[in-house]
Amino acid sequence: QSALTQPASVSGSPGQSITISCTGTSSDIGRYNLVSWYQQHPGKAPKLMIYEVTKWPSGVSDRFSGSKSGNTASLTISGLQAEDEADYYCCSYAGSTYVFGNGTKVTVL
Amino acid sequence: EVQLVESGGGLVQPGGSLRLSCAASGFTFSSYAMHWVRQAPGKGLQYVSAINSNGGSTYYANSVKGRFTISRDNSKNTLYLQMGSLRAEDMGVYYCARERQAAVDYWGQGTLVTVSS
Repeated sequence: QSALTQPASVSGSPGQSITISCTGTSSDIGRYNLVSWYQQHPGKAPKLMIYEVTKWPSGVSDRFSGSKSGNTASLTISGLQAEDEADYYCCSYAGSTYVFGNGTKVTVL
Repeated sequence: EVQLVESGGGLVQPGGSLRLSCAASGFTFSSYAMHWVRQAPGKGLQYVSAINSNGGSTYYANSVKGRFTISRDNSKNTLYLQMGSLRAEDMGVYYCARERQAAVDYWGQGTLVTVSS
């Protein structure tokens, strides 16, 4: 149950697009189309942003989009805004268990 | 409105026990699998345990297997986590979370567990 691998930090200017990668294995991301992404602001509970690789929960901006190729999932934030500055975590089903990524801090320059 | 309210956190000595509770409201509790997810201070999210909707199936992270027990009382709309043989590395905020379509769509605000002598 090793954590999924994410870059420690990603930054971008307002209006730009950024992509956060999340690398797992053939036992989690590579096997199941059950990757989710969470946004967490300091001192707050996480918020679901993407589920089942590409789907948006109600109320989440379509500036956030997800994809997957092989053992790597990605979250793209388009039209970066100041309020997007937060920590982001990926998560994958891994057959009777779940594994989270180690987290990526997104900084809006 | 979906609400998940955790309680039961606090200071406990290494080797001690603690029981966390999560009171659910605003949805049909008995229809959803539920999770516990924790976050050590300044660290990332870590899956701890999950239970299916009727309590018949449970899942644990290797790091807590044999020490923690997840359970639920659907008549009381409450989720539990019985934690034993606590270690310093178990310290952190414990979140109660609702699962929907293999993702957590609602989170509680968390309860802090501190393991220290």
